[in-house]
Amino acid sequence: DTGVSQNPRHKITKRGQNVTFRCDPISEHNRLYWYRQTLGQGPEFLTYFQNEAQLEKSRLLSDRFSAERPKGSFSTLEIQRTEQGDSAMYLCASSSPSGNTYEQYFGPGTRLTVT
Amino acid sequence: AQSVTQLGSHVSVSEGALVLLRCNYSSSVPPYLFWYVQYPNQGLQLLLKYTTGATLVKGINGFEAEFKKSETSFHLTKPSAHMSDAAEYFCAVKGNEKLTFGTGTRLTIIP
Repeated sequence: DTGVSQNPRHKITKRGQNVTFRCDPISEHNRLYWYRQTLGQGPEFLTYFQNEAQLEKSRLLSDRFSAERPKGSFSTLEIQRTEQGDSAMYLCASSSPSGNTYEQYFGPGTRLTVT
Repeated sequence: AQSVTQLGSHVSVSEGALVLLRCNYSSSVPPYLFWYVQYPNQGLQLLLKYTTGATLVKGINGFEAEFKKSETSFHLTKPSAHMSDAAEYFCAVKGNEKLTFGTGTRLTIIP
């Protein structure tokens, strides 16, 4: 169990560019979540997958955002035409049935800065 | 719908003193409650959780929290603060699949 990993850890991009982040969950975890955390705030839910199916998307996830988990393992989060308001820490978490709590384990995050 | 309110965005305590971080929740169903800790530029680490059963739950690093349904609270405590406890702490409630977090409390330890 190597934990949840995220790449890159930091990304600086110019407004209008596209960016893609990757999340590798703990192996055998069938659920994967994306959250966004802005400065001074708690994480906010964006979307989650069970295996390869995307089961819920937040209203925060505008049309410029797309997430995939093609084989039910790693996931990618793409932001098109980035805006300065997209600057945030993007956190990934994974979970599997454990009792009935579905405890979520978080990765280190990808910090996005849009200039 | 679920929500969490953390009272006090900044808390300072002296090393060796009691740590008390407050969390109140709102939930339309019996809640699952969590406390996470975040160190600078890192992800979140689970400190403890309440699901069902015993209302006093113990976590890592000497932290514990008590679920009080009548007060809709889940305050985090530690009897004696260490310098290494300086971090941001988040209370969260689980609804459906997602976690809803509070805005966090930054804990500073005074030597």
